[in-house]
Amino acid sequence: AQTVTQSQPEMSVQEAETVTLSCTYDTSESDYYLFWYKQPPSRQMILVIRQEAYKQQNATENRFSVNFQKAAKSFSLKISDSQLGDAAMYFCAYRSADTGNQFYFGTGTSLTVIP
Amino acid sequence: EAGVAQSPRYKIIEKRQSVAFWCNPISGHATLYWYQQILGQGPKLLIQFQNNGVVDDSQLPKDRFSAERLKGVDSTLKIQPAKLEDSAVYLCASSWTLTANTEAFFGQGTRLTVV
Repeated sequence: AQTVTQSQPEMSVQEAETVTLSCTYDTSESDYYLFWYKQPPSRQMILVIRQEAYKQQNATENRFSVNFQKAAKSFSLKISDSQLGDAAMYFCAYRSADTGNQFYFGTGTSLTVIP
Repeated sequence: EAGVAQSPRYKIIEKRQSVAFWCNPISGHATLYWYQQILGQGPKLLIQFQNNGVVDDSQLPKDRFSAERLKGVDSTLKIQPAKLEDSAVYLCASSWTLTANTEAFFGQGTRLTVV
């Protein structure tokens, strides 16, 4: 099974500043997808951003962007201009490109945004 | 569109009792997932359905857990008998298809406490 590692259990950032959340993964596959999900206290997981492994260009969604380093098996999330509403647990997830394969989630990073 | 609905939101039971969780996916979503999220860990797949067929139940403790998705829409997850280690949040998610880049939409989960 693939493993996803998030080495930062907790992170904090000042409002309006930038923060980077780290994620590494282990796989022998060449084609896969990577995701960042946000889980606020309501517990509902919300997709933040996704990256296709065969695309070299890093994905961006407004204030959220990723730094995808395929050779290093690294997939970090950068949040720019942090807002109070960004406070949540963030989970990195891996999914094989083979149809039907499950999501493998990391253990999460709890992000606190300081006013 | 309406999101993934789950009930109940919270449940407290004694060990050896039985419990059932219900999930109503987004209309038209063929794929349905049940995840177990133990405190401090990322979600772990229990079972995955495509319509009313099981795609993956390799991590479902079949001696005590069961799940069904009658008519390929709603799903129920049952635990009988419950153990202390079953205390967790049970998340239901759905997606249009099994395709790997398809976004999974999550419900708010059921927090189960076994005492």
